Amino acid sequence: EVQLVESGGGLVQPGGSLRLSCAASGFTVSTNYMIWARQAPGKGLNWVSVIYSGGGTFYADSVKGRFTISRDNSKNTLFLQMNNLRPEDTAVYYCARGRYDSSGNYDYLDYWGQETLVTVSS
Amino acid sequence: DIQMTQSPSSLSASVGDRVTITCRASQSISSYLNWYQQKSGKAPKLLIYAASSLQSGVPSRFSGSGSGTDFTLTISSLQPEDFATYYCQQSYSTPPWTFGLGTKVEIK
Repeated sequence: EVQLVESGGGLVQPGGSLRLSCAASGFTVSTNYMIWARQAPGKGLNWVSVIYSGGGTFYADSVKGRFTISRDNSKNTLFLQMNNLRPEDTAVYYCARGRYDSSGNYDYLDYWGQETLVTVSS
Repeated sequence: DIQMTQSPSSLSASVGDRVTITCRASQSISSYLNWYQQKSGKAPKLLIYAASSLQSGVPSRFSGSGSGTDFTLTISSLQPEDFATYYCQQSYSTPPWTFGLGTKVEIK
């Protein structure tokens, strides 16, 4: 059974740091692309970062230079290091697995973590 | 970046009603369109991928259609467990992954 279990959220002051973890089971993180997305209170979903199976990474403009996505293959875990946090980073954060259909043409996010809340406030 | 626009932003419907939600892309995305359901306090759940393919385990009352810029999600007979917020998401040009703002389906 595929599961994604997130941890690491909490309350942090502006300018502070947090490291989110997403422990995977039932599949191998390094053979899929994995994303982080976030949802501010009462708002919609926004993509934050991706790491591809080959190791390539990309970031939303709003977090570029402050957030770093990574993975530990030995622990089958995805991470998001968040530095220089701002109040506007306050949100619930989700990790999700990217998957391709049988044709290899279409991809989608088929499993999501249960969320972890990040609150940036003084 | 491709912008996704959903309508309506919310709707009220009764159990048994047929419900249609629309999603429009800012440029043609072929059939690279996914739909998700999110219940309050829960993670999103994939319903439809590639515009019209039903994800395994999702009830057949859910269906998707469209291509190019205009897409629809239809719930043929609304059930009590379907009251939730629905999001479309394009996978034509990523990154970034872009989502619509959501359509909240409420009980009438």
